[in-house]
Amino acid sequence: EVQLVESGGDLVQPGGSLRLSCAASGFNVNTNYMTWVRQAPGKGLQWVSVIFSGGSAYYADSVKGRFTISRDKAKNTLFLQMNSLRDEDTGIYYCARNLFGYDFYYMDVWGKGTTVIVSS
Amino acid sequence: QSALTQPASVSGSPGQSITISCTGTSSDIGNFNSVSWYQQHPGKVPKLIIYEVTYRPSGVSSRFSGSKSGNTASLTISGLQAEDEADYYCSSYSTSGTPVIFGGGTMLTVL
Repeated sequence: EVQLVESGGDLVQPGGSLRLSCAASGFNVNTNYMTWVRQAPGKGLQWVSVIFSGGSAYYADSVKGRFTISRDKAKNTLFLQMNSLRDEDTGIYYCARNLFGYDFYYMDVWGKGTTVIVSS
Repeated sequence: QSALTQPASVSGSPGQSITISCTGTSSDIGNFNSVSWYQQHPGKVPKLIIYEVTYRPSGVSSRFSGSKSGNTASLTISGLQAEDEADYYCSSYSTSGTPVIFGGGTMLTVL
């Protein structure tokens, strides 16, 4: 069964760091484009970052320079390193698999999300 | 303010059809067929229901259809059912800043 399970969400102070993980099963994260999307409490979806099968990555303007997406081939896991966290980074963070064979705009498998709260 | 503009809410009765609009610019919807739609029930995970403007993933009901004209994309749900009550988000590739943008979401109420 294709599945994504996120972890690592926590309460962190502004300026702090957090590393999110997304364990995949049923497919290989290294041969798929993988994306992080977040959702602030009561708000809409916001695209965060994508990593391509070749390893290159794109970021939303709001997180560029602060967040880093990566993956571990052996663990079949996607990561999101988040530094210099701000209040507005609070929300549920979803990892998602991009629809295979298409560009990076479509996410067809989603994890249940992990919650990040940035507050003093 | 979201990059793509959607109505905050729409409603319809069971059996009726409704259409949700998603308005962008020539930097996104207007020049690219990279529009997708997601359904999200309260407290649940988003689900891809339309990609590349008109295509449905396997398993998605044919009652859902997508279209595009100029800078505006649309999602039509025909034969409304109670289970369709959810939030709907459009998304598009964009050449202006962040490469993937979402609309603010539309809450669908089935009366």
